[in-house]
This record gives sequence, C-alpha cells and structure tokens, in this order.
Amino acid sequence: GNSVTQMEGPVTLSEEAFLTINCTYTATGYPSLFWYVQYPGEGLQLLLKATKADDKGSNKGFEATYRKETTSFHLEKGSVQVSDSAVYFCALTTNSGGSNYKLTFGKGTLLTVNP
Amino acid sequence: DAMVIQNPRYQVTQFGKPVTLSCSQTLNHNVMYWYQQKSSQAPKLLFHYYDKDFNNEADTPDNFQSRRPNTSFCFLDIRSPGLGDAAMYLCATSLDRGYEKLFFGSGTQLSVL
Repeated sequence: GNSVTQMEGPVTLSEEAFLTINCTYTATGYPSLFWYVQYPGEGLQLLLKATKADDKGSNKGFEATYRKETTSFHLEKGSVQVSDSAVYFCALTTNSGGSNYKLTFGKGTLLTVNP
Repeated sequence: DAMVIQNPRYQVTQFGKPVTLSCSQTLNHNVMYWYQQKSSQAPKLLFHYYDKDFNNEADTPDNFQSRRPNTSFCFLDIRSPGLGDAAMYLCATSLDRGYEKLFFGSGTQLSVL
C-alpha cells in the first residue's frame, strides 16, 4: 500500500534560516506528490505539488523536487519567516485502480519560526 | 471567505451519546471527504461522497456514518462515540474525482467524556 514518512517535529528555526523537511514515500503506480500546510486555526491548504519524476513544485518561496530514484519529496525554503509557522503535511495520490482521489498523508511536521 | 465550513469548531459529547458533525461548501464541488486526525498522526480518510455515491474506506468502523442531503452539505454521524474516537475531524472537497487539489475546512475537534 501507499505510505508517507516525514521527519519528526517539532522544528524550531530562527527567522531567515534555511528549512528542510524530509519526506519519503512508498507507492504503487506513479504517484503525484504534494505538500499541504495548516496554519494555526485553519484548514489544510495545498502548498505545492509535482506530478512526475524530476518535476519541481514551488510556491511562496518553498520548493520540492520529485525524486523517483530516492522516493523523496523534501520541502525546502531558503529563508523562513515567522509567518511560515505552521504544520506541514507531505501527501501522495496514485492512479492505481482509479482511486487517485484519495490522498495519503504523512503525520505532519510542526514548524515554529522565532523572530 | 471560508469555502468549506465546519461546525462546530469544538464538540464535546459523552461516551455512547450520538453526535453529528457538519460540513458545508460554497464551491459546488462534486466530491466531499471526511478525514479523522488523531494527535500526532496522519489524517485518515473515513469515506467520501462522489455526488450522491457514498464510498466507505474498508477500515472505517461501522460506528461512523455519513449523509449528504445535497451538494452543499455533508454530515458525519458517530452513533456511539468511544474514548478512542476523540480526534480532529476534517472535511474536504474537490471539484471532481481525481482532481488533485483538495479544499479543507478548519476541522471540528471532538472530545468524548
């Protein structure tokens, strides 16, 4: 079955620090990969996605590259801000059996950025 | 403007007392999902509706039911809540099955006393 493993949190950084949140996956078929973000008191929202190997998703200064050879989709940002404090979820879907509507999530990583 | 609205934000119920959580959407999306998220765990899909077609996940307990009376509303019914059902319940929508972007509500935090 499909599964997503992301680094344990919480992660605490100072403003302008470099961020990496690791994510690896196992999947049948050809997964699409996502990062969702959940700001305090809000619902999850899509941050970025990549649908095939070597694709790079990017948004709001965040990037992640779909690495098929290492089954990874690590999230990076060069300079974090206090407003980036949130929980970040790595997720995937596959086209196997027409069930690509189903997102499989990782456990989430809490990021706190201090001024 | 909130597009997927979950009420209430916090819900407290008693062990064994039926409880209903609600979700509404203004997006006119075909698909509505219910996820359960326990503390420090990944959100877990319970079931989804594709229009009026109900799709239950194989490992969703019978204690959990859902209703979708119209496009805009979807309800999660827990017939006899146990202590292990305390969790955040997330409603989400997508335009269509296979459409990969989901829109989530803020969730309802359920406590069982």
